[in-house]
Amino acid sequence: AQTVTQSQPEMSVQEAETVTLSCTYDTSESDYYLFWYKQPPSRQMILVIRQEAYKQQNATENRFSVNFQKAAKSFSLKISDSQLGDAAMYFCAYRKTPLGGKLIFGQGTELSVKP
Amino acid sequence: DTGVSQDPRHKITKRGQNVTFRCDPISEHNRLYWYRQTLGQGPEFLTYFQNEAQLEKSRLLSDRFSAERPKGSFSTLEIQRTEQGDSAMYLCASSLWGLAGRGNEQFFGPGTRLTVL
Repeated sequence: AQTVTQSQPEMSVQEAETVTLSCTYDTSESDYYLFWYKQPPSRQMILVIRQEAYKQQNATENRFSVNFQKAAKSFSLKISDSQLGDAAMYFCAYRKTPLGGKLIFGQGTELSVKP
Repeated sequence: DTGVSQDPRHKITKRGQNVTFRCDPISEHNRLYWYRQTLGQGPEFLTYFQNEAQLEKSRLLSDRFSAERPKGSFSTLEIQRTEQGDSAMYLCASSLWGLAGRGNEQFFGPGTRLTVL
């Protein structure tokens, strides 16, 4: 069975600084998708960034980028120029099939941003 | 608002009572997912539908839980004989299956928070 592990329950970053959230996963599949979702307090979950396993190039979305290490089964999220609005729970998630299917989530990392 | 909606947003019930939640997906989305999220944890998959067909159910979905999507649009999740361990946030998500790229993204609703006393 596939599993996703986030070993950092809480992280803190100073506004305008850079922070990296860690995620590891376990799968025997060769083609899959990985995601980072953001869940602000009392608000719904939104997709931050996605990575297709067959792509070697790391995904980037504005201030958000990932470091995807397929052999190590590692998928970290880097947030540059952190803003107060980045404060939220961040979940790493895995999806087995390219065209859809259930998401398997990690336990989450609570990110706080200090002004 | 054309996002995923869920009703009610909060539900407090007594142990042993039945509860039903509703999810309205984004209108053109053919897949609908239910997840359960307990405090401090990531969401756990419960079940999902493609149109009206229920394609997968988790072992978490005991026989007290039933989900339907009768016309391939909205979905209901019913919990019979609620237990205190059922207290959680129940999240619904929808996606448009069959398209590569962002078309497969799951869009989440705000959730229904269930408290069982």
